[in-house]
Amino acid sequence: AQSVTQLGSHVSVSEGALVLLRCNYSSSVPPYLFWYVQYPNQGLQLLLKYTSAATLVKGINGFEAEFKKSETSFHLTKPSAHMSDAAEYFCAVSDLGFGNEKLTFGTGTRLTIIP
Amino acid sequence: EADIYQTPRYLVIGTGKKITLECSQTMGHDKMYWYQQDPGMELHLIHYSYGVNSTEKGDLSSESTVSRIRTEHFPLTLESARPSHTSQYLCASSGGGETQYFGPGTRLLVL
Repeated sequence: AQSVTQLGSHVSVSEGALVLLRCNYSSSVPPYLFWYVQYPNQGLQLLLKYTSAATLVKGINGFEAEFKKSETSFHLTKPSAHMSDAAEYFCAVSDLGFGNEKLTFGTGTRLTIIP
Repeated sequence: EADIYQTPRYLVIGTGKKITLECSQTMGHDKMYWYQQDPGMELHLIHYSYGVNSTEKGDLSSESTVSRIRTEHFPLTLESARPSHTSQYLCASSGGGETQYFGPGTRLLVL
């Protein structure tokens, strides 16, 4: 069974500061990993995904994430936070490459940006 | 930009009523999904479909039912709504690749 753990349900950073959102996964097979963002009263939008190619993945809005197999982690970072980054962020895992196309989500991290 | 639509966006309804949440996508995707999301919680898969006339229950048990008569349409029905059904329901689709595209969601409140 696969699972996702997001450390920190709430993260606050100052505008212009580094954003770091943590995600650890558990999977019995090489995983596909995703970060989605959810703005208030909206659905989920894909930020970036890892699908066994380059371990450093660049996404939209200046975000990137690094897949570290030894640490079973896929942390999301952005060098300089912007007010518009305030949202809920979800990490997800799937075993797509092995026939299971269902996503398992973490509990989410609410990011607040301090002016 | 993904073209996946959900109606209604918000619904307040009394206990015992039958409701249908609509989900449509114009991308020709074979795979469609319904997730349930409570405030501050993760998404739980309640139903999915890999094509017309194919539906499966997800990881979270749900009293809702779904149908897939047309590729673009994946409605979810509650025969008798209860307060425990109050939640946000998110529909998603994928075209055989690894990315799921999400609709804006329906917020359901059952009184």
